[in-house]
Amino acid sequence: GAVVSQHPSRVICKSGTSVKIECRSLDFQATTMFWYRQFPKQSLMLMATSNEGSKATYEQGVEKDKFLINHASLTLSTLTVTSAHPEDSSFYICSASEGAAGYTFGSGTRLTVV
Amino acid sequence: QKEVEQDPGPLSVPEGAIVSLNCTYSNSAFQYFMWYRQYSRKGPELLMYTYSSGNKEDGRFTAQVDKSSKYISLFIRDSQPSDSATYLCAMSARASNYQLIWGAGTKLIIKP
Repeated sequence: GAVVSQHPSRVICKSGTSVKIECRSLDFQATTMFWYRQFPKQSLMLMATSNEGSKATYEQGVEKDKFLINHASLTLSTLTVTSAHPEDSSFYICSASEGAAGYTFGSGTRLTVV
Repeated sequence: QKEVEQDPGPLSVPEGAIVSLNCTYSNSAFQYFMWYRQYSRKGPELLMYTYSSGNKEDGRFTAQVDKSSKYISLFIRDSQPSDSATYLCAMSARASNYQLIWGAGTKLIIKP
């Protein structure tokens, strides 16, 4: 089946630094990838839709200058958390779709900002 | 009112029991209905998806969709401790470019 690889799985960074998270579709091409944020014991919150070759579409309330998304190829999307602060600490998950119902998720990235 | 409602639980049942997990929704345009399983600190894993109404079975798992009632269910037979996880329902519609709308997730605990 389809596989989405997400790295790193865990990262700790100092406040004010930037962190990049990669999401790769390993055996299929994904014109669209999605980035989610999940708080403890809560469901996934869609942050943005990443479109290959064009600007990402951000959900209401998500700062596009803070969460930079780049989808440079059909198999790679990156999320950069810029000038991270402790309130950005969360679980970030990407997903990619092969079709209408075939969503595959990465394993997630636990970001801790100290 | 949320578009998709799901009881967060936790739901605790003994090993071997039949588990019933449910979601209700308000948007009649939803066409694809999915169930994901998420273990702690991992990304969600697609268990089953169903298009429109009907039943779908895969091993110990059965998904049901009743569009007239706007109600979907996931049944787990012969539940195992390894089934302990959070189960999320998700739905999408062609009209909204198949964007997934999520339930809150139900935490399931299977006691040995």
